[in-house]
Amino acid sequence: AQKVTQAQTEISVVEKEDVTLDCVYETRDTTYYLFWYKQPPSGELVFLIRRNSFDEQNEISGRYSWNFQKSTSSFNFTITASQVVDSAVYFCALSEARSYQLTFGKGTKLSVIP
Amino acid sequence: NAGVTQTPKFQVLKTGQSMTLQCAQDMNHEYMSWYRQDPGMGLRLIHYSVGAGITDQGEVPNGYNVSRSTTEDFPLRLLSAAPSQTSVYFCASSHRGASYEQYFGPGTRLTVT
Repeated sequence: AQKVTQAQTEISVVEKEDVTLDCVYETRDTTYYLFWYKQPPSGELVFLIRRNSFDEQNEISGRYSWNFQKSTSSFNFTITASQVVDSAVYFCALSEARSYQLTFGKGTKLSVIP
Repeated sequence: NAGVTQTPKFQVLKTGQSMTLQCAQDMNHEYMSWYRQDPGMGLRLIHYSVGAGITDQGEVPNGYNVSRSTTEDFPLRLLSAAPSQTSVYFCASSHRGASYEQYFGPGTRLTVT
């Protein structure tokens, strides 16, 4: 069974601070896919990144970066120089290749204080 | 393209009433799914479909029915609403299944009294 744990329920940071959102996953499959989605206060769900289990390269996109470590079953998300617009709930999610199901973590609410 | 649309945006039901939440996509996606979002619980999969005529249960299917007669539409039926079904419901679609980017609708906020 696939499982995603986001242990941080809520995080508050002051603008321009860096912040890391943790994601730990469980799967028995060797081929799987990991995702991050953002849900701003307006409520829509916005796709941020997809990573497959064979690609452990870290990824950077502007102020966002992702650290995938199979050894610790983690896929952490870092926002550098946070901004107020980064305030949102962030979800990590997992899909095993042989499953047609996407499993979400419970989300981390990030508040960036000006 | 409108993407994924959901109607209604808001709905209030009394316990025992039935209703259908509508979901449509115009991207010719084969895979569609329904999630519910409750405070502190993340998104939980209710039902999904890998193509017209094919549906299957997700993590929390009880009290819900789905059908997929066309590629575009994937309605979610509440058979006899209960207060425990008060939630925000999201429909999503993807071209190639759960392992690819999901396109989400704007959500339906349902309250059952």
